[in-house]
Amino acid sequence: AVRMTQSPSSFSASTGDRVTITCRASQDISSYLAWYQQKPGKAPKLLIYAASTLQSGVPSRFSGSGSGTDFTLTVSYLQSEDFATYYCHQYYNYPLTFGQGTKVEVK
Amino acid sequence: EVQLVESGGDLVQPGGSLRLSCAASGFTFSSSAMSWVRQAPGKGLEWVSYISHDGTTKYYADSVKGRFAISKDNAKNSLYLQMNSLRVEDTALYYCTKDQGFCSGGKCYRWGDYWGQGTLVTVSS
Repeated sequence: AVRMTQSPSSFSASTGDRVTITCRASQDISSYLAWYQQKPGKAPKLLIYAASTLQSGVPSRFSGSGSGTDFTLTVSYLQSEDFATYYCHQYYNYPLTFGQGTKVEVK
Repeated sequence: EVQLVESGGDLVQPGGSLRLSCAASGFTFSSSAMSWVRQAPGKGLEWVSYISHDGTTKYYADSVKGRFAISKDNAKNSLYLQMNSLRVEDTALYYCTKDQGFCSGGKCYRWGDYWGQGTLVTVSS
């Protein structure tokens, strides 16, 4: 199975910050990567697919990049509603796998 | 509006069985692949199973292979997960997802674009 490793596992940030989360795949997955946001007690929400395509309705402050094994999710200007846990997800091969999550907390 | 409503979660003893359901609305269910994803309390997301739009292709995580069975009834707009030989480590919130994607070169690539709110399965004696 493709192992997905996110870094960092958690960090603190302030509103207005530019934040970047990294996801590394254990093998080449081309651009078959999605990013999800999950808030406490809520279902995950799709933010980005195909590594860099923004899902309809997702604010443009979110962006994704990368291909192969290294990917990033960037929030250009962190808003209060962006404090959450973020997961990367590869859909290149079954079994599908997720990263362990990155929790973005209020500084 | 896409809606996915899971049900069937319960407290069950190890070795027991449970059948989860997911009622779908707001999209053409018969044309959509679907999946189950679970999340143990306080833990991350774990993909469980996938089924193609017509039910002919199914995939399972190694952790559930041989014990769980996914199915869908396009006439009832419903997705199911039959869970047998349940273990303590199957305790989790189970989400159903509507999948979007495409096929290329004989291979299909699907990811969940809509998620239900989940149904809780607790396996404990």
